[in-house]
Amino acid sequence: DLQMTQSPSSLSASVGDRVTFTCQATQDIRNYLNWYQQKPGRAPKLLIYEASTLQRGVPSRFSGSGSGTDFSLTISSLHPEDFATYYCQHYYILPLTFGGGTKVDI
Amino acid sequence: QVTLKESGPALVKPKETLTLTCTFSGFSLSASGMWLNWIRQSPGKAPEWLAGIDWEDDKYYRASLRSRLTISWDTSRNQVSLTMADVDPVDTATYFCARRVLLSPVDVFDFWGPGTTVVVSS
Repeated sequence: DLQMTQSPSSLSASVGDRVTFTCQATQDIRNYLNWYQQKPGRAPKLLIYEASTLQRGVPSRFSGSGSGTDFSLTISSLHPEDFATYYCQHYYILPLTFGGGTKVDI
Repeated sequence: QVTLKESGPALVKPKETLTLTCTFSGFSLSASGMWLNWIRQSPGKAPEWLAGIDWEDDKYYRASLRSRLTISWDTSRNQVSLTMADVDPVDTATYFCARRVLLSPVDVFDFWGPGTTVVVSS
């Protein structure tokens, strides 16, 4: 299976900080990558698709970039509601797989 | 308004068969590009895609679990079910159903149910 590796696995930050975390695929997946946010006890929520396109209703402080094997998600200024776990997910081929996640906490 | 909701037993014994049902509304699974998928998440782990069924009733499974999974669609009731045979404690997880929209180049899980937690224990 195509594997997705996220780093770091966790990071501590403060409100207002700019944070960036990465996702790496084990093979070229073009830009077939989505990002999700998950809060405890909730289902994942789609943030970004096609590596850099913001899902409708997602704040513009979120941005994604990358193609091929290396991708990143940036939050330009952390808001209190952004403390959560973020997962990347490829859709290059079945099985669709998720990265291990980056937990953003205070 | 798209909604999905999972239902099923909270506790199953090892070696039993687990049956989960996803009841959905607000969209037609028959529409081109629509899929209904099952995804599970063990505590503290990443989500894991298990199976999906598409608008043409074609079925897809995670290879490592193919022999144990069956996904089916009841068109008359807007429900998709997943059965998992011969469960083991490692199958303990929260099980989500999620709509996948595959309209190239867009391919997303855009709506999810709240999830149902299943514990496998004797």
